Amino acid sequence: IVLTQSPGALSLSPGEKATLSCRASQSVNNNYLAWYQEKPGQTPRLLIYGASSRATGIPDRFSGSGSTTDFTLTISRLEPEDFAVYYCQQYGSSSWTFGQGTKVEIK
Amino acid sequence: ELQQLDSGGGLVQPGGSLRLSCAASGFTFNSYAMSWVRQAPGKGLEWVSTISGGGGGTFYADSVMGRFTISRDNFNNTLNLQMYSLRVEDTAVYYCAKLSWYTSGWIDSWGRGTLVTVSS
Repeated sequence: IVLTQSPGALSLSPGEKATLSCRASQSVNNNYLAWYQEKPGQTPRLLIYGASSRATGIPDRFSGSGSTTDFTLTISRLEPEDFAVYYCQQYGSSSWTFGQGTKVEIK
Repeated sequence: ELQQLDSGGGLVQPGGSLRLSCAASGFTFNSYAMSWVRQAPGKGLEWVSTISGGGGGTFYADSVMGRFTISRDNFNNTLNLQMYSLRVEDTAVYYCAKLSWYTSGWIDSWGRGTLVTVSS
């Protein structure tokens, strides 16, 4: 399954809303899709699993939605610490895949 | 807590071999699947391999199939990745990762990563 994230980069200001897309080349079984945040020099952090369940400790400004082949990560109001790279990943098959990432940068 | 030993990484020539290890603590190791995920310099995340909690199920990305072998020692709570026939394109930071279920799932904990450089 190929995951295509769009846009490749997003320039926004703190307080704005970010909408990140992840499209799968075929149906993701059971909507087994996760989102991770990666900052320079840090390991990735789990944000969302099962397409829409927030991981422990993740602020409610992060939300996931979608099903089958189209998934979205929304950050309702960007905080300074949210500027990072975001990856989607499907774990619904025995061969995992990650999207290529969306960089959210400060405008 | 997932801790990753730095042993095993380093510089190797094309065609060479390396063995990475990851020591885990803070959870019941044999109850969870584990994976290796890599990240080439300046690039995105790439899944490499997954092994089930008991070790009976192993899965590999096409790019490493037949060259890498994942294994685990549930007595010593250690995950391993034996890498053979290394190529320049295998250069990356390799992360071990704890999954949420016995057979698969999302990644809920990451190791610190170890750098493998394949170069002549």
